Amino acid sequence: SQELEQSPQSLIVQEGKNLTINCTSSKTLYGLYWYKQKYGEGLIFLMMLQKGGEEKSHEKITAKLDEKKQQSSLHITASQPSHAGIYLCGADTGNTGKLIFGQGTTLQVKP
Amino acid sequence: EPEVTQTPSHQVTQMGQEVILRCVPISNHLYFYWYRQILGQKVEFLVSFYNNEISEKSEIFDDQFSVERPDGSNFTLKIRSTKLEDSAMYFCASSQGWDNSPLHFGNGTRLTVT
Repeated sequence: SQELEQSPQSLIVQEGKNLTINCTSSKTLYGLYWYKQKYGEGLIFLMMLQKGGEEKSHEKITAKLDEKKQQSSLHITASQPSHAGIYLCGADTGNTGKLIFGQGTTLQVKP
Repeated sequence: EPEVTQTPSHQVTQMGQEVILRCVPISNHLYFYWYRQILGQKVEFLVSFYNNEISEKSEIFDDQFSVERPDGSNFTLKIRSTKLEDSAMYFCASSQGWDNSPLHFGNGTRLTVT
């Protein structure tokens, strides 16, 4: 079965610093989704990547999917306290809409 | 912006009792899902639902679980006889399609079984 591994598990950065979160899949990805979760709340959709080499940006967040479609990264530029939360990568296991998730990366941004 | 809504936000129940978790998916979405997250663990897929029937279910989704779309707007998850290990956050999600369509999640129902 497919597994997703995120790194790091947690991250504390100073406001204004850049950071990167990685997501590695044990199998080729049909689709890779990034979500943000605040503690005790739902998952907020950030971005979806489907093609090898694809890169998408929204405000200060950029997500990339490697050419082999087995690894994705999420990069935040000039982090702000509002970026704090748990970032989850999710993979579509076979174009069925069913997602499996990584364990999450907890981000704290210190003012 | 349209959103998925779930009720209740918290549910406490005694072991062996039946619970029904309710969800109102986004109105033009056709695919519906339930996921759960046990405290400190990964978000896990339970079941997907399309065209009034289950499309796929996980090993977790045993005979104690059932889903229903009783009318045009609600989507429910029923647990017939709750166990302590059913304590978790349950998320409902919906999407327009299964391909190229992101899942949109509700804020979840925290279920505590005592």
